[in-house]
Amino acid sequence: QKEVEQNSGPLSVPEGAIASLNCTYSDRGSQSFFWYRQYSGKSPELIMFIYSNGDKEDGRFTAQLNKASQYVSLLIRDSQPSDSATYLCAVVSGYSTLTFGKGTMLLVSP
Amino acid sequence: SAVISQKPSRDICQRGTSLTIQCQVDSQVTMMFWYRQQPGQSLTLIATANQGSEATYESGFVIDKFPISRPNLTFSTLTVSNMSPEDSSIYLCSVVSGNDLYEQYFGPGTRLTVT
Repeated sequence: QKEVEQNSGPLSVPEGAIASLNCTYSDRGSQSFFWYRQYSGKSPELIMFIYSNGDKEDGRFTAQLNKASQYVSLLIRDSQPSDSATYLCAVVSGYSTLTFGKGTMLLVSP
Repeated sequence: SAVISQKPSRDICQRGTSLTIQCQVDSQVTMMFWYRQQPGQSLTLIATANQGSEATYESGFVIDKFPISRPNLTFSTLTVSNMSPEDSSIYLCSVVSGNDLYEQYFGPGTRLTVT
């Protein structure tokens, strides 16, 4: 059973701070890793993907991957109230289908 | 990116009945998926919709309960059969338009309530 684990939160940060969202996965053979953002009542939207160990930056977002520790994270710099949403970690293994974590709710207060 | 529409956007149905959800994409896509998101839960893959052949179902989901059609590269339907309150959920269509899974986009979802 492939599992993707996330802290459900909520993670509360003040505006302008760095939000750190974490995800662990059970399948050591996992190859691709994705972060989706889901606003309440909306469908998920892809914000980042990472395939290799290390960091990948895109604007205010940085994805970090450590395959040895089976750990992937998402950092959001200069957090804004509009970043308040649920962030879903998703992992691809083997059969090229996504396994999602339950998501971490992020609340950014003005 | 692909533009995906789903019909209906929401529905309230009685137990024992069936509902068919439609997913339409504005361009041809390589892969189409159906997911379920129950209240407070994450997304669970129901099946991969295969064009011109039977869908590939994930563990715990069967064709008799969730028949799926995909007659072409832009359209798919999911039927939720013989519904019970436990089927109350959001059903999402998802597509991949390229060869890499990172190009996966989700439709707006269908919110189903079974009474």
